[in-house]
Amino acid sequence: KAGVTQTPRYLIKTRGQQVTLSCSPISGHRSVSWYQQTPGQGLQFLFEYFSETQRNKGNFPGRFSGRQFSNSRSEMNVSTLELGDSALYLCASSLGASDDEQFFGPGTRLTVL
Amino acid sequence: GEDVEQSLFLSVREGDSSVINCTYTDSSSTYLYWYKQEPGAGLQLLTYIFSNMDMKQDQRLTVLLNKKDKHLSLRIADTQTGDSAIYFCAESPLNYGGSQGNLIFGKGTKLSVKP
Repeated sequence: KAGVTQTPRYLIKTRGQQVTLSCSPISGHRSVSWYQQTPGQGLQFLFEYFSETQRNKGNFPGRFSGRQFSNSRSEMNVSTLELGDSALYLCASSLGASDDEQFFGPGTRLTVL
Repeated sequence: GEDVEQSLFLSVREGDSSVINCTYTDSSSTYLYWYKQEPGAGLQLLTYIFSNMDMKQDQRLTVLLNKKDKHLSLRIADTQTGDSAIYFCAESPLNYGGSQGNLIFGKGTKLSVKP
């Protein structure tokens, strides 16, 4: 079956703009989590959605938001982009129970100029 | 607070064993994970261990857990050049709903395998 897909794979934006990233989970998966990966901070959890509801949230400013649709596809939005938002954004999906494996997508590489 | 630490680099010769170490802080974590990331790719789950286990073996991979010291290690036997990648240790602290959507990752250990 198809894995987790993320679009777009690469994105270049300028400071002050906003951006929307998309994640399509594996069919049947109801949980989608988002992570930010940077060389300095490593992998940091942004938020998790389960059945269209935000179930967990990391320590990121309100400029970072997300949502999940009824088909479990998820989007994350970053408003008023800053240079420090340049990162690889990874999405992971799982069935949603406590011992379910998370499957990661290839990520979206965002560059903010 | 929650923090996962691991050494940044490890270099071994092909055929040797590699041991990647990790320390974590949250004793509530029920699962501990090892992920592999190759250049330009996402994360691939290698193996995981439940917190009430001491050891888990999966083909060339052996995970050891010392819960008292909050120390986790990943041993790769007969390391091959294809094992060159970044290896991440991660813990899953208990969250609302018991979800594991929130993983706390280490900074990653870059494994270089020399022929």
